Amino acid sequence: AQKVTQAQTEISVVEKEDVTLDCVYETRDTTYYLFWYKQPPSGELVFLIRRNSFDEQNEISGRYSWNFQKSTSSFNFTITASQVVDSAVYFCALSTLYSTLTFGKGTMLLVSP
Amino acid sequence: AAGVIQSPRHLIKEKRETATLKCYPIPRHDTVYWYQQGPGQDPQFLISFYEKMQSDKGSIPDRFSAQQFSDYHSELNMSSLELGDSALYFCASSEWLVAVGRQETQYFGPGTRLLVL
Repeated sequence: AQKVTQAQTEISVVEKEDVTLDCVYETRDTTYYLFWYKQPPSGELVFLIRRNSFDEQNEISGRYSWNFQKSTSSFNFTITASQVVDSAVYFCALSTLYSTLTFGKGTMLLVSP
Repeated sequence: AAGVIQSPRHLIKEKRETATLKCYPIPRHDTVYWYQQGPGQDPQFLISFYEKMQSDKGSIPDRFSAQQFSDYHSELNMSSLELGDSALYFCASSEWLVAVGRQETQYFGPGTRLLVL
C-alpha cells in the first residue's frame, strides 16, 4: 500500500517569506509518480508538478521549486517570496503503475499581507 | 486549453433521494476517475474507468454506481443519500499511454458540491 505523509497541518507566513512544504512517501513499487496539487479556497484542485521515480532532478518554475530525494523518500515544495494568492491547501500525492492517486492530508498555507 | 467539465456545480438533496453527477473529460483522455472529498479531508478515490470499462475501485459505497459512456463522459449515480454523503465530488481525467504502459497525469474538474439535508 502507498502512503503519503504531510506532517505540517497548517503554516502561516507573512508575504515575501520563503516557505517549504514537506512531503514524505512510502511505497514498495520501484516505479512511482509524485505530484503536488493546489486547492485554493474556491475548491478546485490545480495540478502543479509531476515527478517520476527515475528522475531525481529538482525543478524550478518561477517562485516554485521542488526537491525530490529518493534517499529520504521526500518530495518537498518551496515557495519563494510568498504572496497572498499562494494561500491554499497543498496536497502531495503518489501513484504507481498499479494504483491511482493516494493523497497526503494536505498542508494549509496562509500568507498574510 | 480545455479542462474537465463537471455538472452540476452545486446540488442540494434530501436524505434518501438520488443524485446524478456528470463529468466530461478533457478531449482525447480515455480514463476517468471519481473522488470524494469531505470537509477538511483529502480526496478519496472512489472508482475509475478506462475505455468504458471499470479499471479500479476504491472506497465507493454500494449505494453508488458509475459508468463511462461511448463519448467518454462519465456519470456517478448516488442513491439513498445519507447526511454523510455531503462532500465535494471531483472527476479527473487522464490519458493512458499504451506504448509505454503508463497512465499520465490526472487533471481535475472544478468539483460538484453536494449537500444532503
